Amino acid sequence: GAGVSQTPSNKVTEKGKYVELRCDPISGHTALYWYRQSLGQGPEFLIYFQGTGAADDSGLPNDRFFAVRPEGSVSTLKIQRTERGDSAVYLCASSPQWGGEAFFGQGTRLTVV
Amino acid sequence: AQSVSQHNHHVILSEAASLELGCNYSYGGTVNLFWYVQYPGQHLQLLLKYFSGDPLVKGIKGFEAEFIKSKFSFNLRKPSVQWSDTAEYFCAVTPPARNNDMRFGAGTRLTVKP
Repeated sequence: GAGVSQTPSNKVTEKGKYVELRCDPISGHTALYWYRQSLGQGPEFLIYFQGTGAADDSGLPNDRFFAVRPEGSVSTLKIQRTERGDSAVYLCASSPQWGGEAFFGQGTRLTVV
Repeated sequence: AQSVSQHNHHVILSEAASLELGCNYSYGGTVNLFWYVQYPGQHLQLLLKYFSGDPLVKGIKGFEAEFIKSKFSFNLRKPSVQWSDTAEYFCAVTPPARNNDMRFGAGTRLTVKP
């Protein structure tokens, strides 16, 4: 596609439930990033993929968060046993090369009630 | 902790006023620097970036930024703002040898009054 696509755009879930957030990067981009943005804050780094492998997952807050990119394109961020504090906008970005400009999607607004 | 600081949380200007938004970072060594903009209801977009070379960087829409290594700063400027510049502006830095780990400041909300 023309840009980074994230689905769903909005997700409301109950505390304790499992959610999956999808990111479809720009075709051919090898690097893919997940960020989380809370109200009034800048994007917070979660995880970075180079190809299929997670090159750096040091930003994942705890083991309830997990992300995959099995074929080196689409990525899914998975959150288990959601908590109200997980409510935020989850941003995905892709880059054609390591360290280059990152192109962002519109984000998924997750609300845990 | 190493970080990116944006000193102004909310800036309000009239059209045609000059703009300068501050950004300071605390990483030593060689860094890559970025300014992103987020217009209301839209995704983050790159305004400009600095990797090396001329420390005065020109970006889109008349924006520029100056990298001052001795001050660990990368301030964003525009000589004359327009109402359409109303947006949230984020400074970002990739630390030395960690080009995948882009760290963002908290952002500055700019409101331009017509």
